[in-house]
Amino acid sequence: SSELTQDPAVSVALGQTVRITCQGDSLRSYYASWYQQKPGQAPVLVIYGKNDRPSGIPDRFSGSSSGNTASLTITGAQAEDEADYYCNSRDSNGNHVVFGGGTKLTVL
Amino acid sequence: EVQLLESGGGLVQPGGSLRLSCAVSGFTFSRCDMSWVRQAPGKGLEWVSAISGSGGSTYYADSVKGRFTISRDNSKNTLYLQMNSLTAEDTAVYYCAKDLGSVTTYYFDYWGQGTLVTVSS
Repeated sequence: SSELTQDPAVSVALGQTVRITCQGDSLRSYYASWYQQKPGQAPVLVIYGKNDRPSGIPDRFSGSSSGNTASLTITGAQAEDEADYYCNSRDSNGNHVVFGGGTKLTVL
Repeated sequence: EVQLLESGGGLVQPGGSLRLSCAVSGFTFSRCDMSWVRQAPGKGLEWVSAISGSGGSTYYADSVKGRFTISRDNSKNTLYLQMNSLTAEDTAVYYCAKDLGSVTTYYFDYWGQGTLVTVSS
């Protein structure tokens, strides 16, 4: 399969911890990367590889992976974290890329 | 400062063609794989195509294979996407995206602001 599945929507109370998941067969072979996208803006890379953060991304963002599931965890969610989050990885043949359908995160 | 600036979007009739450009600066373009990623209105991200730093390897999503051609001019620091036989399903914002690694990772650490392509009669 070359699909990545994400929950369409997740909510979290301000300051609490939230996990956003991404499932797909390709995740057994490849790490995911995660992107934050706010309305009208380009996506921003927040996590890649095993659990790496680009410069400038707060350390409340972390990633993990187990079996066919990758997870993005936000520890102590802030109002500015409200956004759409997308996972991606190579597909099973390694030369194509697949994105998950996206998760809309609401911070209450 | 890394910058990616797309251009070339616009309104095109079904069956028509369009060429997108992505001018980059702030990094060694020839050392980086590049991709095009699109987003239909109100929808999620869809990878379209990728090209190696040298331009010698190209890859396409099944949805565009045979219709779109990715290319690059490393002397001009510019990435291109030639789009032919366009349909309404190709209507989207098209982003160029830079691969993070010196080898292919498909982790996109920089994105352009996007250019809108609308296919309609």
